[in-house]
Amino acid sequence: DTGVSQDPRHKITKRGQNVTFRCDPISEHNRLYWYRQTLGQGPEFLTYFQNEAQLEKSRLLSDRFSAERPKGSFSTLEIQRTEQGDSAMYLCASSLFRTVNTEAFFGQGTRLTVV
Amino acid sequence: QQQVKQSPQSLIVQKGGISIINCAYENTAFDYFPWYQQFPGKGPALLIAIRPDVSEKKEGRFTISFNKSAKQFSLHIMDSQPGDSATYFCAASIFLWNTGKLIFGQGTTLQVKP
Repeated sequence: DTGVSQDPRHKITKRGQNVTFRCDPISEHNRLYWYRQTLGQGPEFLTYFQNEAQLEKSRLLSDRFSAERPKGSFSTLEIQRTEQGDSAMYLCASSLFRTVNTEAFFGQGTRLTVV
Repeated sequence: QQQVKQSPQSLIVQKGGISIINCAYENTAFDYFPWYQQFPGKGPALLIAIRPDVSEKKEGRFTISFNKSAKQFSLHIMDSQPGDSATYFCAASIFLWNTGKLIFGQGTTLQVKP
């Protein structure tokens, strides 16, 4: 399968714990995006990378959230001191940017439940 | 100005009927308008997309109609099938030479009855 891969698919954690999600983009894609989707809503942009550089962060991304893409390949999203309001589906997408953008492909998401 | 408003929130259509979902936007800088289909427990999958230089784009049973002056666009699903039952999201982006980040509508849950 050469699509966008996310791990884990589901995560249940206790409030206050830290969690980390991983995203493996399509191999030749240099842009990687993180979105958050709460129940009954459309995905909301969190942040994106071009290669290893994090170029934009939404104000939704509080200081408890950190994302990395250390070698310009896979990315991790860490949430520290989780809160119940962090319960959501976390989606990763990737695209290829040369001189122009191409369509973004989404992974299946990581569903986080904070209890 | 970054919002994309989508309606209706839910839609029930008989098999073979036409499903119509509407979206409106404010930011005239948007230059890419995709529609995504999402099944429960899955990520969104691109269905069809349009640029503002055309008023209509058709791919199989799916058609986007685009009205630049009204800042509205819609998805038409012809001959709707039970397998089309899913949640549909419109989105908008300042796409080609920009970040490519997508601003999504709130979603429409479509149920196609056999």
